Amino acid sequence: QVPLVQSGADVKKPGASVKVSCEASGYAFPSYYMHWVRQAPGQGLEWMGLINPADGSTTLAQRFQGRVSITRDTSTSTVHMEVISLRAEDTAVYYCARSGYYSEAFDSWGQGTLVTVSS
Amino acid sequence: SALTQPPSASGSPGQSLTISCTGTPRDVGGYYYVSWYQHHPGKAPKILIYEVSKRPSGVPDRFSGSKSGSTASLTVSGLQAEDEADYYCSSYAGDNNYVFGTGTKVTVL
Repeated sequence: QVPLVQSGADVKKPGASVKVSCEASGYAFPSYYMHWVRQAPGQGLEWMGLINPADGSTTLAQRFQGRVSITRDTSTSTVHMEVISLRAEDTAVYYCARSGYYSEAFDSWGQGTLVTVSS
Repeated sequence: SALTQPPSASGSPGQSLTISCTGTPRDVGGYYYVSWYQHHPGKAPKILIYEVSKRPSGVPDRFSGSKSGSTASLTVSGLQAEDEADYYCSSYAGDNNYVFGTGTKVTVL
């Protein structure tokens, strides 16, 4: 496992946007996909999407297309995930997770970032 | 759509239990990229199994995985108190898409 350090908890109002960051270290950043997974209160894990840090290409789960974007900054080995038009149902812990060391499995995870959407 | 897991499973210390993960031919049935994770509340998930049955270094051999058709399984042998956690399967679903299971809460009696 490698260190993935995420930004801190955030509170947003409905309709606002939030950006969560994930800084990687200890490995060749461009060589491994980075994913975003969320867990709403009392719910299971949900895969949101991924970015290929080598070229910045992304794949998003269908339900997040148009509302979620994932970007990367290779100079700081950081991946960002932004959700726009937030609603209460977006309240969740958001995790970044790396794949590629053990093929398509998520071998390293960030500590999680709680995003609360509340008026 | 999420893979289907039983909501809960339980066993006494030393016993074995098996958790199923049912998908479709478009995910679990179509690829050997099924993985399993242990998730203690408030912590990051931890990988237990990848590629259906392989264990990362450091994962005890009490954890084993298998697959038949579109259903994968995780078996925990010799249950220990620290195995009490939530368990999730995940599968590659093609075109750089992935899907998680609904999760199973394991209780050690």
